[in-house]
Amino acid sequence: EDQVTQSPEALRLQEGESSSLNCSYTVSGLRGLFWYRQDPGKGPEFLFTLYSAGEEKEKERLKATLTKKESFLHITAPKPEDSATYLCAVQAGGGSNYKLTFGKGTLLTVNP
Amino acid sequence: EAGVTQSPTHLIKTRGQQVTLRCSPISGHTSVYWYQQALGLGLQFLLWYDEGEERNRGNFPPRFSGRQFPNYSSELNVNALELEDSALYLCASSLFTYTEAFFGQGTRLTVV
Repeated sequence: EDQVTQSPEALRLQEGESSSLNCSYTVSGLRGLFWYRQDPGKGPEFLFTLYSAGEEKEKERLKATLTKKESFLHITAPKPEDSATYLCAVQAGGGSNYKLTFGKGTLLTVNP
Repeated sequence: EAGVTQSPTHLIKTRGQQVTLRCSPISGHTSVYWYQQALGLGLQFLLWYDEGEERNRGNFPPRFSGRQFPNYSSELNVNALELEDSALYLCASSLFTYTEAFFGQGTRLTVV
C-alpha cells in the first residue's frame, strides 16, 4: 500500500530562521509528487509539482526538491504569514488504480 | 478564472440522515476528486470521477457515493450519516488525470 510520511509533525520557527520539511514515500509507480499549503478550515492551495529525482522548484521563500525516496520543502527566512500546514501528496498508479495519497502534514508556526 | 467551488460551506445533520454535497470544477477540468479530512486523520481519498465515470474509490463504505454530470460538476452523497462522518469534505479538479489537482474551500459537515 502507498505510504507518505511527513516530518516533523509540527515545527516552530522564529521569523528569519530557515528550515526544511521532509516527505518520505513508499509507492509503486510514482508519477509525481505535489506540495500544498493549507490554512485552518480552508482547502489546500497548490504549491509545486515534482516529477523526477533531482528536480527542484522555487517560489518566493520556498524551494522543493525530490529524490527517489523523499522530498524536501526548504523554507528560507520565513515570515509569520508562512504559518500553515504543509501537505505532501504522491501520485501513483495508472488507469483505474490511479490516486493521490496525502501525508498528514507538517504544521509550521513562524513567530515574529 | 473561477476556482473550484463547493456548496454548501457548512452543514449540520442528524445521525441517520442523508446529505448531498456539490462541486463545480475549474472550467475545462474533466477530473474531479473527493476527499474527506477528519480531525487528525489527514486527507483520505474518497472518489475519483473522470469524463462522467467513476474511475476509482477509496476505502469507504457504499453509503458514500456520487456522480459526475455532463458539465463535469459533481455531487457526493452520504447516506445513513454517522457521527464519525463529521469532517471537512474537499473537492478538487485537474485538467488531466496526471496533472496537479486544485482544491475548493470544502464543506464542513457536522453530524449530531
